[in-house]
Amino acid sequence: DGGITQSPKYLFRKEGQNVTLSCEQNLNHDAMYWYRQDPGQGLRLIYYSQIVNDFQKGDIAEGYSVSREKKESFPLTVTSAQKNPTAFYLCASSISRGGHNEQFFGPGTRLTVL
Amino acid sequence: GQQVMQIPQYQHVQEGEDFTTYCNSSTTLSNIQWYKQRPGGHPVFLIQLVKSGEVKKQKRLTFQFGEAKKNSSLHITATQTTDVGTYFCAGLSGFQKLVFGTGTRLLVSP
Repeated sequence: DGGITQSPKYLFRKEGQNVTLSCEQNLNHDAMYWYRQDPGQGLRLIYYSQIVNDFQKGDIAEGYSVSREKKESFPLTVTSAQKNPTAFYLCASSISRGGHNEQFFGPGTRLTVL
Repeated sequence: GQQVMQIPQYQHVQEGEDFTTYCNSSTTLSNIQWYKQRPGGHPVFLIQLVKSGEVKKQKRLTFQFGEAKKNSSLHITATQTTDVGTYFCAGLSGFQKLVFGTGTRLLVSP
C-alpha cells in the first residue's frame, strides 16, 4: 500500500527544544517537500528536495533544517531558532522535480510548543 | 515574489446551491493545480490545467484557466455536504516551485 507517512500525528514540545518530524514515502518519488500551514491560511513552503543529498530553501526556511540521505525519507527539524513553531506541518512528494506533477501529501503532524 | 490569492476566503452555502472560488496570480503561470483539504485532513490533488483558456470538468466540478494564464476558477454545481473543505489553487511560474493560494473554505449546510 503506497503512500506517505508522517509521525507522530500530534507532538508537544517545550519552548527551546529542537524537534524532528518524520516523513517517509514508498512511492519511489524523487521530489519531497515540507510545508507549514497555520489556521485559516494556505501552505507555505519550508524546504524541498529534488533528489537525494540535495535540498533547497523554500519561502520560510529560517529556523528549520532538513536532510535527504535516502530517497524515501525527508525529516524536518524545527529548531529553537524558529520563533513561532506551533503549526500543522505537511510533507509531500512528487514523482519528479519541478511543479508539473501532482503532489501527494502525508497526513500531517500538528506541533504544539508550550 | 510570486503571490497567489484566492477569493472568497470563506463561503457558507445551502446544499444544492452553486459555489465558485477564484484564484489570481501576480505572475503568468505555466500551469495551475487544484487541491481539496477536508477538515482535519491533508490536501488531495484534484486536477491540473496547462493550456490558456482550458476548461476541465469532473462531475459537478468545473475548472477554468484564464486566457492570460494568471487566473483560474473552480465552480461546483449543486453543492453537497461532501463538498465541505478548503479548496486551494497552486500555481507554477518559471521557478519550478508550486505556490499555493490562500484557500477558500467551503461550508455546506443540509
